Amino acid sequence: SAVISQKPSRDICQRGTSLTIQCQVDSQVTMMFWYRQQPGQSLTLIATANQGSEATYESGFVIDKFPISRPNLTFSTLTVSNMSPEDSSIYLCSVGTESSYNEQFFGPGTRLTVL
Amino acid sequence: GQNIDQPTEMTATEGAIVQINCTYQTSGFNGLFWYQQHAGEAPTFLSYNVLDGLEEKGRFSSFLSRSKGYSYLLLKELQMKDSASYLCAVTDSNYQLIWGAGTKLIIKP
Repeated sequence: SAVISQKPSRDICQRGTSLTIQCQVDSQVTMMFWYRQQPGQSLTLIATANQGSEATYESGFVIDKFPISRPNLTFSTLTVSNMSPEDSSIYLCSVGTESSYNEQFFGPGTRLTVL
Repeated sequence: GQNIDQPTEMTATEGAIVQINCTYQTSGFNGLFWYQQHAGEAPTFLSYNVLDGLEEKGRFSSFLSRSKGYSYLLLKELQMKDSASYLCAVTDSNYQLIWGAGTKLIIKP
C-alpha cells in the first residue's frame, strides 16, 4: 500500500485568507483525489487531481475556490482560497491503486478551522 | 439521483456479533467498498464486493446482493478497538465513488 503524508496536519486560519495543503505519496500513482469531510459527515469528493493538466472538479466545487496542482505522479496541492468559517473541515488526499479492487488509500487529513 | 443508506449509529457488546447494513441506488454498479474510520483518523480499506455473495476476511465479512442493491458488513467477536465509523461506498457506471454517510459503531464492555 502507498504511504501518504499531508502537510499541515491542522491549522487555524482567519477569514479571507488562503491555505495550501500538500499531499506527498511515496510511490508514483495515477489517480489522486481531494476530499472534504465535515464533522460527523461522510466524504465529499472535491476533485480529481490530474498530472500535467487541470483538475476535474465535482459539482459544487470550482477552481477559483479550490485550485489544485499536480506537477508529478507523487505530489499534489489543494488551496482553499478566501476562506470562510463554512470551509472548516477535514481535507483528505487519497490515491487510487492499480489493484483489481482499485481501492483508495487515504492520507492522514488536514484539520482546518476558519475563524 | 444516487443514494446510499446506512444506519447512523449502532451499539453492540464486546465479544458479540454486529451486522451493518447498506442499501444503494446508483446509476450503474462497479463494486462496493467498506471502509473503517476511527475518530480523527483517515478511512482505511476493509473490503470489496463486486459479485453476489459473502467475502470473509478474518473477523470481518461483507455480503452483496446486486439484485437487491444491498450489502452488509458483519463483525464477529467484537473488540473495543472496533469502535469506529464504517463507511459504505459504491462505484457507479462512470467509476465514480459514491459514499454513504457512515455508521458509527459503539462497542460496550
